[in-house]
Amino acid sequence: SYELTQPPSVSVSPGQTARITCSGDALPKKYAYWYQQKSGQAPVLVISEDNKRPSGIPERFSGSSSGTMATLTITGAQVEDEGDYYCYSTDSSDNHTGVFGGGTKLTVL
Amino acid sequence: QVQLVESGGGLVKPGGSLRLSCAASGFTFSDYYMSWIRQAPGKGLEWVSYISSRGNTIYYADSVKGRFTISRDNAKNSLFLQMNSLRAEDTAVYYCARRAYDILTGYPTPPDSWGQGTLVTVSS
Repeated sequence: SYELTQPPSVSVSPGQTARITCSGDALPKKYAYWYQQKSGQAPVLVISEDNKRPSGIPERFSGSSSGTMATLTITGAQVEDEGDYYCYSTDSSDNHTGVFGGGTKLTVL
Repeated sequence: QVQLVESGGGLVKPGGSLRLSCAASGFTFSDYYMSWIRQAPGKGLEWVSYISSRGNTIYYADSVKGRFTISRDNAKNSLFLQMNSLRAEDTAVYYCARRAYDILTGYPTPPDSWGQGTLVTVSS
């Protein structure tokens, strides 16, 4: 089955740039999406279609994708950005279901 | 605004049953795929099931196939998940989530709105 691989954790100081990666064999042909999940809360979509920011998401969140890797970048990370981040994409053979990455815990301190 | 409110979770013994509900508001429910996604304590997100807008396309994860049944009532803006033969490994927060339908591709988009979840605990 298709898998998306993320680093378990990323740590930055406030104001620094945080980068979270997601690798998958189908990413050259499929969009990546990113969800933020703060402790005890539901996931929130922060990036769609590789690099589009839904309404209400701060400009410091951006996304990019190159080859088999997608990247979520938080420029000037803030303490309130701490949480778990999940990438999501679809396999080249299954456009209906999609898979979630294992998640990356972002620490900002 | 979009609102999804889950209910029906609780503590149940192994082998028992529960029925989860999700009440939707703030959008045209009948235009959207709807889904259930779960998260075991301290773990990541896992698809459970989803259903197309008219109910003619349904997906189940292998881990729940034959035990769970998803359904919807478009007249009542409600989504359901009937869970039977529950196991300890079904213990999780269950989220109701909305998926749009992409007319260009003919496929549902990733979940774009989520409820706050309802906790299901399977334990003796």
